[in-house]
Amino acid sequence: GAVVSQHPSRVICKSGTSVKIECRSLDFQATTMFWYRQFPKKSLMLMATSNEGSKATYEQGVEKDKFLINHASLTLSTLTVTSAHPEDSSFYICSASRLSGGVGSYNEQFFGPGTRLTVL
Amino acid sequence: GNSVTQMEGPVTLSEEAFLTINCTYTATGYPSLFWYVQYPGEGLQLLLKATKADDKGSNKGFEATYRKETTSFHLEKGSVQVSDSAVYFCALTTDSWGKLQFGAGTQVVVTP
Repeated sequence: GAVVSQHPSRVICKSGTSVKIECRSLDFQATTMFWYRQFPKKSLMLMATSNEGSKATYEQGVEKDKFLINHASLTLSTLTVTSAHPEDSSFYICSASRLSGGVGSYNEQFFGPGTRLTVL
Repeated sequence: GNSVTQMEGPVTLSEEAFLTINCTYTATGYPSLFWYVQYPGEGLQLLLKATKADDKGSNKGFEATYRKETTSFHLEKGSVQVSDSAVYFCALTTDSWGKLQFGAGTQVVVTP
């Protein structure tokens, strides 16, 4: 269990267009989802924390009008890169959080496979 | 604030060699600690975890022990395989939402 999918896995778009990336928890309900950006040979940079039914919380330096996040249901969060430019090209990864259960339970994150965005 | 420091790579070693990747952390409160692995072109997979001091996480021959006294969570494997070639990330959370703080990642290359 605890599978997270992302769609699309790869997208190429022209500069100035908008791109939507979906993140779904397939077999559990996730009250919290996270969006990360990963540059080549770099660590993951948290972009925002998304809670179902409320506005996303963005990390410092992340433009909320540029990266629109919607978490409409307990199994779906979307990231829309608006007016994409070549510098937005990156690997975007989402994760969904679920309570691990048992003694010492905590919110465990399960990661999607990532979406490679290339803006021409 | 929280931070994770792990050794820089790439680490190149031969098959069946012993692997150690050092990870130290600073954190407020009592963190849970994780190792994630990322294979080429893929997302992250949880490799192992430890939620309290002295816990040992283990999976697929990898082990790491939560050392509160040295604020460390070093990853070890006694005999690596070519299929272990990947990037390994140390991470922690002290957040009720489970928000993770990642280290920079260590690329491991295992040659036949």
